[in-house]
Amino acid sequence: DVKVTQSSRYLVKRTGEKVFLECVQDMDHENMFWYRQDPGLGLRLIYFSYDVKMKEKGDIPEGYSVSREKKERFSLILESASTNQTSMYLCASSNRGGGNGYTFGSGTRLTVV
Amino acid sequence: GQNIDQPTEMTATEGAIVQINCTYQTSGFNGLFWYQQHAGEAPTFLSYNVLDGLEEKGRFSSFLSRSKGYSYLLLKELQMKDSASYLCAFLMDSNYQLIWGAGTKLIIKP
Repeated sequence: DVKVTQSSRYLVKRTGEKVFLECVQDMDHENMFWYRQDPGLGLRLIYFSYDVKMKEKGDIPEGYSVSREKKERFSLILESASTNQTSMYLCASSNRGGGNGYTFGSGTRLTVV
Repeated sequence: GQNIDQPTEMTATEGAIVQINCTYQTSGFNGLFWYQQHAGEAPTFLSYNVLDGLEEKGRFSSFLSRSKGYSYLLLKELQMKDSASYLCAFLMDSNYQLIWGAGTKLIIKP
């Protein structure tokens, strides 16, 4: 069964901490994405990657960075967590053309206190 | 630019039929997806339309009109478990990214 795995389902961090959210896919997908989802705002794209070592800014990259050292792994980093980064974070992957849609991980509910 | 729009919330009765509409504007289009998302969970794939017309899959059907920039998701014989948000998204042909609507929250009443 193909899958996208996010390392944590729930996470509580303190303001100013550096936070790592990990995402691993086993489908040999080229494309990987990080979104955050907040009530009433839908899915907002933070960063995406079309290949190893490659990254592109999405719509709301401020306060975040990413790393893709291996094809199957895409990490989201909150350099200094703030309370306005409290959200649901969703990782997704797709094949290069996107025609099979995105497969999502189960999400990480991050609370910054 | 691109834009995608769907109603924020809809209410329907168990056993009934409901149609969720989605309109979009884009210069490059490669197909339209529908996803279902239960509260607190990740979106899961429902359907993908590339050509005009109706695609039926059990109780769920999806329709696309490329010339009108319009799609709908039709849910028949509604069940309580269909209470969820339904997201439409179109695939851009320039960079193969999905552009997402904000989602329609569907509330099913007994």
